[in-house]
Amino acid sequence: DAGITQSPRHKVTETGTPVTLRCHQTENHRYMYWYRQDPGHGLRLIHYSYGVKDTDKGEVSDGYSVSRSKTEDFLLTLESATSSQTSVYFCAISGGGLNTEAFFGQGTRLTVV
Amino acid sequence: AQSVTQLGSHVSVSEGALVLLRCNYSSSVPPYLFWYVQYPNQGLQLLLKYTSAATLVKGINGFEAEFKKSETSFHLTKPSAHMSDAAEYFCAVSPYTGGGNKLTFGTGTQLKVEL
Repeated sequence: DAGITQSPRHKVTETGTPVTLRCHQTENHRYMYWYRQDPGHGLRLIHYSYGVKDTDKGEVSDGYSVSRSKTEDFLLTLESATSSQTSVYFCAISGGGLNTEAFFGQGTRLTVV
Repeated sequence: AQSVTQLGSHVSVSEGALVLLRCNYSSSVPPYLFWYVQYPNQGLQLLLKYTSAATLVKGINGFEAEFKKSETSFHLTKPSAHMSDAAEYFCAVSPYTGGGNKLTFGTGTQLKVEL
């Protein structure tokens, strides 16, 4: 299995509070991604990173920010959580270049009450 | 822009029967195409991928998919379903740019295998 660890695995938080999810990899892959999974929508890209301090927005980035200060860590922050951000969040990594695949973490189930 | 359409959010087959999960894509550039499987409360696992080599791609667990450019399709098949195949399956597309692997997913197909 690809070395990807997401933390926490489960979290319940209140509306309006900030939340940070962590993704840690041991594969030294260049690219890291955050997706959210919701019924009827599949997985949608929130943000991604193509190197340390290099990040860009995905399809559903509103209300989220990210940071990558080290190759191995990619943080996703909900500045002020809302109920619409209740979801399962997946981190993924890939080596980039041609003929590569993305490996996924086990997911973080976030509930905003 | 790219998109993926998976026809049928739920598919039910009998054990031993053919599995056919449909995926059609739209992409403005030559695509990479992927099928992932997700078991309950787990992450996604790659079943197979198409990266412009052979159009018939074989994956793990006896699954295969055929890339048909004229039909913009990448359907997933398995000749004989097993109970352990029950899971959710996602088709995904990524642009052939070499700049990472930003995937656009379909909405998923839940496969049920019955005795």
